[in-house]
Amino acid sequence: ETGVTQTPRHLVMGMTNKKSLKCEQHLGHNAMYWYKQSAKKPLELMFVYNFKEQTENNSVPSRFSPECPNSSHLFLHLHTLQPEDSALYLCASSQAGTGLNYGYTFGSGTRLTVV
Amino acid sequence: AQKITQTQPGMFVQEKEAVTLDCTYDTSDPSYGLFWYKQPSSGEMIFLIYQGSYDQQNATEGRYSLNFQKARKSANLVISASQLGDSAMYFCAMREGGGNQFYFGTGTSLTVIP
Repeated sequence: ETGVTQTPRHLVMGMTNKKSLKCEQHLGHNAMYWYKQSAKKPLELMFVYNFKEQTENNSVPSRFSPECPNSSHLFLHLHTLQPEDSALYLCASSQAGTGLNYGYTFGSGTRLTVV
Repeated sequence: AQKITQTQPGMFVQEKEAVTLDCTYDTSDPSYGLFWYKQPSSGEMIFLIYQGSYDQQNATEGRYSLNFQKARKSANLVISASQLGDSAMYFCAMREGGGNQFYFGTGTSLTVIP
């Protein structure tokens, strides 16, 4: 248990479905992130939230919609996904504004398959 | 240009031997941090070791050490006395001064052979 919990661990959804991924941290961190990990590609940063405010959206398609109701919870709402969206989605948290040696704490990820 | 480059998609090492995983980075910021993460098949990214750009000595954490060659912009991970449980993906990452964003490489898959 890393301190960052992601649910569900696995998700299979059809292209017309709507689902949500959930991330929860109780480390007292004030920044949370969504990453997409596809095979043989670097991790792709999708969204960044600092103090519940979205500070970055790396040209992510609108079929991915993040929500951060408080500094401990982060959601990724999914709708009308494509098969190429199948990937491991990782959530991470950190303490923003700290020294360089502060790394991310990652969750175990949600393995998403779009059929 | 890629911020982090890992040129070894896959590596094999005999149990109890040492192995070096390569990482080169690209930044013009004099202040940065370099990290290595391990990702087992379960998916979780586990922090292993950190090296700051101003650190005079190479970082060490148990069986992990970081061979930091600042002029060459390389930050290779050395795992000594490999164990079967070391089989995983390994990612090199960088954080530049003033920013929260991490830049990751494509990873190296390490297989430890009994």
